[in-house]
Amino acid sequence: ETGVTQSPTHLIKTRGQQVTLRCSSQSGHNTVSWYQQALGQGPQFIFQYYREEENGRGNFPPRFSGLQFPNYSSELNVNALELDDSALYLCASSLWDQGNQPQHFGDGTRLSIL
Amino acid sequence: DAKTTQPPSMDCAEGRAANLPCNHSTISGNEYVYWYRQIHSQGPQYIIHGLKNNETNEMASLIITEDRKSSTLILPHATLRDTAVYYCIVRSWGYQKVTFGTGTKLQVIP
Repeated sequence: ETGVTQSPTHLIKTRGQQVTLRCSSQSGHNTVSWYQQALGQGPQFIFQYYREEENGRGNFPPRFSGLQFPNYSSELNVNALELDDSALYLCASSLWDQGNQPQHFGDGTRLSIL
Repeated sequence: DAKTTQPPSMDCAEGRAANLPCNHSTISGNEYVYWYRQIHSQGPQYIIHGLKNNETNEMASLIITEDRKSSTLILPHATLRDTAVYYCIVRSWGYQKVTFGTGTKLQVIP
């Protein structure tokens, strides 16, 4: 069973730039969620994708957007990067459910904004 | 979705049971209790979840009170590799209202 993989592991960008982060779901999973984790904080939900559509969003502005592909892999895109976007970005996959399916996380992409 | 309250830190002697509490007093009837842990520089790892009944797997046991307002995660024989931040969350459908909070930092002491 292949787990959740994310790329790249580390990335450095400057303010105003755009970034794309990638995630491959665990085999058999059809739902992907993205989280932002600032240093010393718990993960904060950004959005979830199911059937290639956004299925729920946390308190993040529209410059955070995503895609899910037919093979259930996903991308997180962030435009107009700000210093506060520096964080660990986590991807998690699961089966679509009514609450009883656990998410499985990748090890994240560490994004630093200069 | 309900929010959870956890102590910020706990210590446990190696080989002893670690009991990590979580309060979720506003939990709804269809919300599950989930536990994850995060070891430094890694993504969160799923441990266990439950709705009403106590649950056990190869990693841990989950004890949920009868009124479901609190729960305890039990690591029966803590090892140094169990040192991590432990998160308790509650959820039903979707994750958009889930709050991970800052969790409990468990330090296992030799």
